[in-house]
Amino acid sequence: SQQGEEDPQALSIQEGENATMNCSYKTSINNLQWYRQNSGRGLVHLILIRSNEREKHSGRLRVTLDTSKKSSSLLITASRAADTASYFCATDVRQGGSEKLVFGKGTKLTVNP
Amino acid sequence: KAGVTQTPRYLIKTRGQQVTLSCSPISGHRSVSWYQQTPGQGLQFLFEYFSETQRNKGNFPGRFSGRQFSNSRSEMNVSTLELGDSALYLCATGTSGRFNEQFFGPGTRLTVL
Repeated sequence: SQQGEEDPQALSIQEGENATMNCSYKTSINNLQWYRQNSGRGLVHLILIRSNEREKHSGRLRVTLDTSKKSSSLLITASRAADTASYFCATDVRQGGSEKLVFGKGTKLTVNP
Repeated sequence: KAGVTQTPRYLIKTRGQQVTLSCSPISGHRSVSWYQQTPGQGLQFLFEYFSETQRNKGNFPGRFSGRQFSNSRSEMNVSTLELGDSALYLCATGTSGRFNEQFFGPGTRLTVL
């Protein structure tokens, strides 16, 4: 099963509005990352938040992390049409002596001009 | 710096054939990971190579294999292709382990007929 689960699966907003996406995970983590993917293309790293951090900002992005609830949120403020993309959270998971980055299924954001 | 490159970008094969995909990392990046992305399963980790050694492995059958060369370039091979192998294959590179910021290539779209 997926380590990270984003919510909602899809979000449609108007340009200028804020968009909030949530991610829940199951096991303890070292860090949590958010990525963006434009339709059928490679992913772009947005931000990394470490397990001992509670909030992080990067431009119009704000990420929070609540390790007690095993959840994170990504807020995009003053959204633009160019923000239309799918957004994924990713966590590092150790399993059976192996480590891997596990992605959620993503939130598809549509920003209408 | 040039970004991560993947070749070919598109590939059409028939069941039973084999395929080799290539990934050239950003200069200085020694970690190369491979992911399979499908609408149903999302992004799934295949394996990670670091300094020519497979360091981490996901839960894929032995038909999926890879290798890394001394210049950090990596190849992924899928033998005895099945219809379900149709997917976007993404490689991601990084400077070290622990799956910190990953830089993704544009992907190879594989269609199995």
